[in-house]
Amino acid sequence: EAQVTQNPRYLITVTGKKLTVTCSQNMNHEYMSWYRQDPGLGLRQIYYSMNVEVTDKGDVPEGYKVSRKEKRNFPLILESPSPNQTSLYFCASSRTGGYEKLFFGSGTQLSVL
Amino acid sequence: SQQGEEDPQALSIQEGENATMNCSYKTSINNLQWYRQNSGRGLVHLILIRSNEREKHSGRLRVTLDISKKSSSLLITASRAADTASYFCATDLGGNQFYFGTGTSLTVIP
Repeated sequence: EAQVTQNPRYLITVTGKKLTVTCSQNMNHEYMSWYRQDPGLGLRQIYYSMNVEVTDKGDVPEGYKVSRKEKRNFPLILESPSPNQTSLYFCASSRTGGYEKLFFGSGTQLSVL
Repeated sequence: SQQGEEDPQALSIQEGENATMNCSYKTSINNLQWYRQNSGRGLVHLILIRSNEREKHSGRLRVTLDISKKSSSLLITASRAADTASYFCATDLGGNQFYFGTGTSLTVIP
């Protein structure tokens, strides 16, 4: 089954404790991206990647890192989480980027205390 | 931000009625997409309309695009309780960034 898998589904952590949210797709998609969703603000793009070793900043990249060492994986790294990063995070992929539909993961609800 | 805006923010209708929601955006686009989100879950793609198209249908969905007004509308005909969800438009400006609106929350009352 074609899917984007995110883990974990829920995560509670404390300020400053490094964490990684994993994202994997099994569709051989070139394009992958991360979004955060906050009430009243819709989805905002954090980072995106057009292919292996190619990553670019989205609208709200501060405080986040990503890597794309393999085509299928695109982890989101918070080196030193802060409470304002409490949010619902989504990973998404598409075959070639902006010209195609996005496939979304189920989301990761992150709470930073 | 290039973010789109959906209107209305919330919509409540009876089952069987049609639901119309609108999306306005700020700059020229390459294409516009509509997505659906069930409470807190991942978004699901509904329909994509390219900048050179004016109308597109998919089942009970009808999407229109007015480039001159920088707006799009999503019509769901003969709504069902299962259509209860949030609906988002997303614009692609020709690069590789997607800009999502703030969403319309649709409630269909059985």
